[in-house]
Amino acid sequence: QAGLTQPSSVSMGLRQTATITCTGSNNNVGSQGVVWLQQHQGHPPKLLFYTNNNRASGISERFSASRSGNTASLTITGLQPEDEADFYCSAWDTSLNERLFGGGSKLTVL
Amino acid sequence: EVQLVQSGGGLVQPGGSLRLSCAASGFTFSSYSMNWVRQAPGKGLEWVSYITSRSSAIYYAESVKGRFTISRDNAKNSLYLQMNSLRDDDTAVYYCTRGGIDYWGQGTLVTVSS
Repeated sequence: QAGLTQPSSVSMGLRQTATITCTGSNNNVGSQGVVWLQQHQGHPPKLLFYTNNNRASGISERFSASRSGNTASLTITGLQPEDEADFYCSAWDTSLNERLFGGGSKLTVL
Repeated sequence: EVQLVQSGGGLVQPGGSLRLSCAASGFTFSSYSMNWVRQAPGKGLEWVSYITSRSSAIYYAESVKGRFTISRDNAKNSLYLQMNSLRDDDTAVYYCTRGGIDYWGQGTLVTVSS
């Protein structure tokens, strides 16, 4: 099944910086708006960014997002214990007419 | 405040049917496309289906095509997912989401098991 590629896990220390990448193709990440979601255990996903780098309401400025070519990135600075969660990227695929998700990246704050 | 309140779900035998509902409030429902997204236990997110604001375009994931039907009633501000011929691997928490997956319902668990 087609999907976007994310690292399965990312571990960084308290107050350090973590970056999660999301790789797709010209049909999705490269041409469509990328969405980033955060999901804590037992809760629905929460929107972090829409259309590549537009921060959702109430999201800390410690979170930033960008896109270059077919790869999108989510960066979290000054890591805090509450940042531990699963992070997902998503984009519509114009070739498949499907919304694709990355496999999810589990962030651990050491 | 945008709210998506889901109902339906539960335990069903393989081959059975179930209908999920999603009641929207806090925004002009008839102006937005909607999606269903699911998450199997311990797994990642999987997009299921998409419907435009006036139901003029509908898309399905290959895994549910021919078995699931998405629909909406703009007069009732409601989104639906009719699930037929359910299989074990349809077991998941199902979420309704607004078009750009910016708002999510609380999720409802569908368990397919004999």
